[in-house]
Amino acid sequence: KAGVTQTPRYLIKTRGQQVTLSCSPISGHRSVSWYQQTPGQGLQFLFEYFSETQRNKGNFPGRFSGRQFSNSRSEMNVSTLELGDSALYLCASSNPRDGYTFGSGTRLTVV
Amino acid sequence: QKEVEQNSGPLSVPEGAIASLNCTYSDRGSQSFFWYRQYSGKSPELIMSIYSNGDKEDGRFTAQLNKASQYVSLLIRDSQPSDSATYLCAIHLTDSWGKLQFGAGTQVVVTP
Repeated sequence: KAGVTQTPRYLIKTRGQQVTLSCSPISGHRSVSWYQQTPGQGLQFLFEYFSETQRNKGNFPGRFSGRQFSNSRSEMNVSTLELGDSALYLCASSNPRDGYTFGSGTRLTVV
Repeated sequence: QKEVEQNSGPLSVPEGAIASLNCTYSDRGSQSFFWYRQYSGKSPELIMSIYSNGDKEDGRFTAQLNKASQYVSLLIRDSQPSDSATYLCAIHLTDSWGKLQFGAGTQVVVTP
């Protein structure tokens, strides 16, 4: 079966801009969670959506937001980008039987 | 104290030897435990999951869980150069499916 698809793979943005990342989960998975990975902080949980509802949220500022559509695809948005937002953004598709499967990630560079 | 702690390494292991990775966690209510492998520049790949006390084996990998000691480990037998990667311990906290708490990862280097 198809895996988790994240687009785009790479992004370069300027400080102050906003960005939207997309994640298509494994077919049948209704939970999508987002993570930020940086060398200094490691993998940190951003938020999780299930059936279009945000169920869990990590400790990130309100500039980080997300949503989930009825087909379980999810988007995350970062507004007013800062240099420190440069990171690998990963989404994970999950269900209790299969566990968590990560997409290839989006590498965001803020200049 | 971090919720999930791992030795950062690097852990240098001769080819063919056993690599032993450790992870401790602080939340006694943790229910599900995962080991991920991450190659440089790639996304994490699930290699083992374990939910109850004891050992779970899958090929060359064995996960061990001791909830009383709040400890989970991963053994890699017959280590190969292709096992050189960062290994991440991840825990699903109680009543929070969808939220994984990760350790900082242990870098493993298998030397020929």
